[in-house]
Amino acid sequence: KAGVTQTPRYLIKTRGQQVTLSCSPISGHRSVSWYQQTPGQGLQFLFEYFSETQRNKGNFPGRFSGRQFSNSRSEMNVSTLELGDSALYLCASSGGLGTYTEAFFGQGTRLTVV
Amino acid sequence: GQQVMQIPQYQHVQEGEDFTTYCNSSTTLSNIQWYKQRPGGHPVFLIQLVKSGEVKKQKRLTFQFGEAKKNSSLHITATQTTDVGTYFCAGGDSGSARQLTFGSGTQLTVLP
Repeated sequence: KAGVTQTPRYLIKTRGQQVTLSCSPISGHRSVSWYQQTPGQGLQFLFEYFSETQRNKGNFPGRFSGRQFSNSRSEMNVSTLELGDSALYLCASSGGLGTYTEAFFGQGTRLTVV
Repeated sequence: GQQVMQIPQYQHVQEGEDFTTYCNSSTTLSNIQWYKQRPGGHPVFLIQLVKSGEVKKQKRLTFQFGEAKKNSSLHITATQTTDVGTYFCAGGDSGSARQLTFGSGTQLTVLP
């Protein structure tokens, strides 16, 4: 069974640009969550999608948005990039409802904003 | 909102010594999960605890969930160099949506 695939693995953008990250969950998983990981703030929840609907959102500005397609693949978009957006962005898929199932993380996309 | 505190932030041990990391939540958790992230890697699920007072073991790892479901610990007996990495706890809330609140992690270094 293929794991969670995130593309691209690395990305360098300049301030003010926008970026789109992609996540393909494990086959059959309908829940996809996104997390931002930085040395200072740790792993912070961005949002979660289930069956194309955003079910929950963390405390991030509106510049961070996402969506999920009918095949459960998800994209995350960050507009008007700031230096502080430099981070490892991780997506996690899970197969069950609620929080009682493990999250399978992808390798992440390392975003550097210069 | 829910906050999960984890201590210590760093721990250096000699190979063969024991290691413990602790998590404390500001609210009652529906469940707690533990993940390990190797340097340069991504978090990998270790275990989930759901019941009050639950204790689970995986070889040299022992996980506990507090009676009040607000704290948890991970204890590693006789550490090995393969245990190196950052250990995260993640608390689940009681809502239907999937949101894990991660602790800040404990970075374990094992000296040979």
